[in-house]
Amino acid sequence: DAGITQSPRYKITETGRQVTLMCHQTWSHSYMFWYRQDLGHGLRLIYYSAAADITDKGEVPDGYVVSRSKTENFPLTLESATRSQTSVYFCASITGGAEGTEAFFGQGTRLTVV
Amino acid sequence: AQSVTQLGSHVSVSEGALVLLRCNYSSSVPPYLFWYVQYPNQGLQLLLKYTSAATLVKGINGFEAEFKKSETSFHLTKPSAHMSDAAEYFCAVSGGTGGFKTIFGAGTRLFVKA
Repeated sequence: DAGITQSPRYKITETGRQVTLMCHQTWSHSYMFWYRQDLGHGLRLIYYSAAADITDKGEVPDGYVVSRSKTENFPLTLESATRSQTSVYFCASITGGAEGTEAFFGQGTRLTVV
Repeated sequence: AQSVTQLGSHVSVSEGALVLLRCNYSSSVPPYLFWYVQYPNQGLQLLLKYTSAATLVKGINGFEAEFKKSETSFHLTKPSAHMSDAAEYFCAVSGGTGGFKTIFGAGTRLFVKA
C-alpha cells in the first residue's frame, strides 16, 4: 500500500533491551523524521534525515540511534531502553521539493518500557 | 530557534458553538505555519497551512486560520463545532533557519459537548 508505515504498532520491552522501530515510505520523499509524543509536550523531534546516509539530531536525541541506508526506510533504535522512553513514536516524511510542504505521518508505535 | 506556543491544553465547547484554538509562533523570518489534527490512536493529518499566499487560510472540515504577523499568531477557528471535531490539534512551524524541520506545539485537546 502507498503511504508511510510503521511497525510494530505496539511494543512492550524490558529496561536495558535494544528495540528497533521501523518506518517505511513508498513516496520516495527526501526528508524523514522521528518524533515522540508525550502528554504535555506535544511532538518532539528525535532525529531527522534529509536523504539516504544523511541524518541529524533533533531536540531529544539522547538514547536513540537512526540509520538511513535506503531512501524509503528510516529505522529508529533504542540502544538500551529506559522507562523514560515509554512514549508514542511517530515517523513522518516530507517531499523536500520546496519549503512549506506538509509532513505525512505514520500511524505511530506505542512503546512501553517496563 | 523557531517555536510555537499553544494557549490552553484543553478547550471545551458546546456543539454548534465557535471553536477558537490559539497558536503563537516565534521565528526570525516569515515562517510556514500548519495546523494538524490527531484523532484517537491515529497519526496526524493536515488541516491547513500558511505559506504566505494569503493571510486567511481555509482548510478541511470548515476550519480556517488567520496569519497575523503583528501578533505573531495563527489561531484556528471554526464557526460551528460538531461532535466529530473532538480531537487533538497541533500548531506547527517550519522554514527559515529550521529549513524542512517541522516543530510542533504541545497540542490542544478539543472537547465538544452535546
